[in-house]
Amino acid sequence: GQQLNQSPQSMFIQEGEDVSMNCTSSSIFNTWLWYKQEPGEGPVLLIALYKAGELTSNGRLTAQFGITRKDSFLNISASIPSDVGIYFCAGVNYGGSQGNLIFGKGTKLSVKP
Amino acid sequence: DAGITQSPRYKITETGRQVTLMCHQTWSHSYMFWYRQDLGHGLRLIYYSAAADITDKGEVPDGYVVSRSKTENFPLTLESATRSQTSVYFCASSERVSNQPQHFGDGTRLSIL
Repeated sequence: GQQLNQSPQSMFIQEGEDVSMNCTSSSIFNTWLWYKQEPGEGPVLLIALYKAGELTSNGRLTAQFGITRKDSFLNISASIPSDVGIYFCAGVNYGGSQGNLIFGKGTKLSVKP
Repeated sequence: DAGITQSPRYKITETGRQVTLMCHQTWSHSYMFWYRQDLGHGLRLIYYSAAADITDKGEVPDGYVVSRSKTENFPLTLESATRSQTSVYFCASSERVSNQPQHFGDGTRLSIL
């Protein structure tokens, strides 16, 4: 079935540094979503991307929908301690089974003050 | 505050018992989903529902039963719990599947002894 390869698996960074993570797939997706999950909570939507090439920002977060429709990246600028969590990418393929989300396995972000 | 709520938040039960996890959403979203989250596997879809009385299997449906008699509720039942079903379970909903993001509850942590 479809799979998303999300990297890196984990990151340990210093407060103030920029962060970059990405998702790639061998399949084409029509929508890319980025979620953040904090301990004891469900994933929360950060950014939704609907068009190839689209670049969208949400505060210090910026995400792009790759031109090939097979990848997406998320950047976080000037990280702060509350950025800690697990970041998931998810892709939607309209032609797939009812278009349900395919999730990456997550990038665990740790920020050292 | 409106949204999606799961209950219970924590549950411990024994092998062979039946257990039901509840999910309630106040957005009147058509679609509802159940996922399980396990280390090394990320989020995996168990079942989903496109509308009341319409349900379909996801990636890992064995051992689970769902129903959707009302749009706002989507309970998940483990008819005879097994240790391999120890996991964190998330319910989600979306307005439409094709391009609308899913919004998640805070999860139920289920331990089967």
